[in-house]
Amino acid sequence: GAGVSQSPRYKVAKRGQDVALRCDPISGHVSLFWYQQALGQGPEFLTYFQNEAQLDKSGLPSDRFFAERPEGSVSTLKIQRTQQEDSAVYLCASSSRQGSTDTQYFGPGTRLTVL
Amino acid sequence: AQSVTQLGSHVSVSEGALVLLRCNYSSSVPPYLFWYVQYPNQGLQLLLKYTTGATLVKGINGFEAEFKKSETSFHLTKPSAHMSDAAEYFCAVTYTGKLIFGQGTTLQVKP
Repeated sequence: GAGVSQSPRYKVAKRGQDVALRCDPISGHVSLFWYQQALGQGPEFLTYFQNEAQLDKSGLPSDRFFAERPEGSVSTLKIQRTQQEDSAVYLCASSSRQGSTDTQYFGPGTRLTVL
Repeated sequence: AQSVTQLGSHVSVSEGALVLLRCNYSSSVPPYLFWYVQYPNQGLQLLLKYTTGATLVKGINGFEAEFKKSETSFHLTKPSAHMSDAAEYFCAVTYTGKLIFGQGTTLQVKP
């Protein structure tokens, strides 16, 4: 079956530009997560949705980062006025239920490079 | 607070040798622990997870891990390495549903 998909796979932005990263979770999955993975590091949590509700956004590094999931399916992570330190791989994951034991299934990621 | 430490950012083994990747955790509540593998330019794939019950957990591709509460460890092992095992491995613990990852260990397999 189809897994988690993300687009674009690669994005190059000039400093100061706005970008939008898309995540299509596995159909029917209730929970959706965004993580940021800097080069050579483990992924770090950004934000979490249960259906359309954003329940945790404690990992968003600044108010330039904004995420939404308006219909409880596709999610978009938007970064305004990109900075060089935003360069990273942005990973999306989904799980079928809400709970700490549920497996999170990851997409391939979007590699963002800010020049 | 929950945290994960992976000892050794890079491990090199010969094909056919034992693989041992170390993970220690810190958790204020009973932990749920995961190992993920990441191949180049791909997302993370679950190898195995520990939630409750048996402390020796078997996963895909011949990997297994043992939860040792007294040592706060969850080391990953495989009896015989294959070339295809070369990848980045991440240990993680859950906290309020989100995953807290270690820094990762790169496994190199030499012919």
